[in-house]
Amino acid sequence: SQTIHQWPATLVQPVGSPLSLECTVEGTSNPNLYWYRQAAGRGLQLLFYSVGIGQISSEVPQNLSASRPQDRQFILSSKKLLLSDSGFYLCARQGGPNEKLFFGSGTQLSVL
Amino acid sequence: EDQVTQSPEALRLQEGESSSLNCSYTVSGLRGLFWYRQDPGKGPEFLFTLYSAGEEKEKERLKATLTKKESFLHITAPKPEDSATYLCAGSGGYQKVTFGTGTKLQVIP
Repeated sequence: SQTIHQWPATLVQPVGSPLSLECTVEGTSNPNLYWYRQAAGRGLQLLFYSVGIGQISSEVPQNLSASRPQDRQFILSSKKLLLSDSGFYLCARQGGPNEKLFFGSGTQLSVL
Repeated sequence: EDQVTQSPEALRLQEGESSSLNCSYTVSGLRGLFWYRQDPGKGPEFLFTLYSAGEEKEKERLKATLTKKESFLHITAPKPEDSATYLCAGSGGYQKVTFGTGTKLQVIP
């Protein structure tokens, strides 16, 4: 199984509030995990990727952070949300460097 | 820095009118070139992986091809249910996958 659990599906948060999005995956151990953001009508922007527990690479400087406390758990966080953080957040897993990504169902975040 | 550029941004076709979508890439140490389909409000759905120049993959009305600098997604005799955004992505030597901005395809009955 390559199931990816991502929640919540929809989230409305005020500016300045904290954020925590959780992603858990099933299947082979030690997968590469990714967080992407997609603004309305735009492509997928890579935010973070992780090749193992505690190993996080950040692609875009911003007020978001990511953590991987367990092999199959990937968390996206913010201490204070900005309006520009609104978007569709997708978690993805990859079994190996040459393998395709499997995506979760996404979280639509609206910051008001 | 890895880059993936897709064109056109949007494409409107009559049902049965064949066409091609373009994906130009600059990915260091390309390990795989991926095509995905994305419907509104959903995560991308995998279509194809291409690994080397000259490779081709087919699935129903879709065929993906790869050269050293570009990939094409050919759509033959499209139907309205083919309407979606098609995304191209490259996986490079640093184990990250870079996506293009996509082509939004609309097929009109």
